[in-house]
Amino acid sequence: AQSVSQHNHHVILSEAASLELGCNYSYGGTVNLFWYVQYPGQHLQLLLKYFSGDPLVKGIKGFEAEFIKSKFSFNLRKPSVQWSDTAEYFCAVGNNDMRFGAGTRLTVKP
Amino acid sequence: ETGVTQTPRHLVMGMTNKKSLKCEQHLGHNAMYWYKQSAKKPLELMFVYNFKEQTENNSVPSRFSPECPNSSHLFLHLHTLQPEDSALYLCASSQGGTSKRDTQYFGPGTRLTVL
Repeated sequence: AQSVSQHNHHVILSEAASLELGCNYSYGGTVNLFWYVQYPGQHLQLLLKYFSGDPLVKGIKGFEAEFIKSKFSFNLRKPSVQWSDTAEYFCAVGNNDMRFGAGTRLTVKP
Repeated sequence: ETGVTQTPRHLVMGMTNKKSLKCEQHLGHNAMYWYKQSAKKPLELMFVYNFKEQTENNSVPSRFSPECPNSSHLFLHLHTLQPEDSALYLCASSQGGTSKRDTQYFGPGTRLTVL
């Protein structure tokens, strides 16, 4: 069965710091990979997705993620975070049978 | 606004009540999903409908009963729930079908409290 691990439960950064959130998955077949974000009081929104091709994926709001097949990883990065990036971030794997990680709460201090 | 709406946004019910959650999507999608989001736990996939047919039931207790009358509407009927069923229930939709590159879009959720 597919599973998704997000090792960082809560990350606290100052504005302008660089961000990397880890995501590892276990799945034997071709994977579709996603990062979603949930801002306080708002619904889950798609940040970026990977289906195939270039393993470095660019998303909205300056986020990017890199698919490393050999490491079963799809880490999310942003070179310089802003206070408005404070939110919970979810990694997900799959198609119709999507599996989500437990989420990482990001707090950005102004 | 993602084109997926859910009502009600908040619901408080007793363990003997019967209530229903409603989800509607305006995206022309063919697949709809119910998820449960509990504190400090991963999002749990509950049910999947593809072209109105249920394609996945992720070992959900029978006190949760889904209904998908058409591709735009999805209901979750609730009866004799337990306090541990209190959670945020999320609906999502996607293109569905045989697509291998499906992306799900989520509604705002219904915050359910079972007393």
